[in-house]
Amino acid sequence: DTAVSQTPKYLVTQMGNDKSIKCEQNLGHDTMYWYKQDSKKFLKIMFSYNNKELIINETVPNRFSPKSPDKAHLNLHINSLELGDSAVYFCASSRAGLDGKRANYGYTFGSGTRLTVV
Amino acid sequence: AQKITQTQPGMFVQEKEAVTLDCTYDTSDPSYGLFWYKQPSSGEMIFLIYQGSYDQQNATEGRYSLNFQKARKSANLVISASQLGDSAMYFCAMREGVSSFNKFYFGSGTKLNVKP
Repeated sequence: DTAVSQTPKYLVTQMGNDKSIKCEQNLGHDTMYWYKQDSKKFLKIMFSYNNKELIINETVPNRFSPKSPDKAHLNLHINSLELGDSAVYFCASSRAGLDGKRANYGYTFGSGTRLTVV
Repeated sequence: AQKITQTQPGMFVQEKEAVTLDCTYDTSDPSYGLFWYKQPSSGEMIFLIYQGSYDQQNATEGRYSLNFQKARKSANLVISASQLGDSAMYFCAMREGVSSFNKFYFGSGTKLNVKP
């Protein structure tokens, strides 16, 4: 079973369209994230949800709207797509450390969605 | 200030040799975790190794070891006996504190090329 699955893997669309990327995790993690990886491979956080509640909202255009129907799902909807939105979008999940002294729970990443806006 | 700095955009190593990928970090939180991820050309992000700020010993996972120097705030990844399949981007990352609310900070990555 895939731990963090995101769909679709590839998405090619025209400028101005609206599209969604879905993400689901079956790890029982309580926090999910969306990251954007640009053409220079730099990973930048976009959003973080904890138990359906928005925790982190970095400076991201309003055209990007995350939706978390439950703690196992975090979808990303993008309105009015622009050329600059072309990137790889990664979903990830994580949970907190157990004993208060260990920040050892890293991310489990999805396989990424390569979005190309033409 | 940058939270995670990887100063080597690209590295070459001969197959079967060891290679060290540099990573320095910046935090004032006493509890933090340091991670290395591998991203092959196929694009997925693969967790390699973790080092906790309270861990006394350097972490090791197979051919991967983390050279943790807390006073210098460095967490270099050492890959022993490089293989062709090690050619990939490598990202150093840090998580401050223990809350799952806390985001990761990623470095800019190092592209490793293993030569036959």
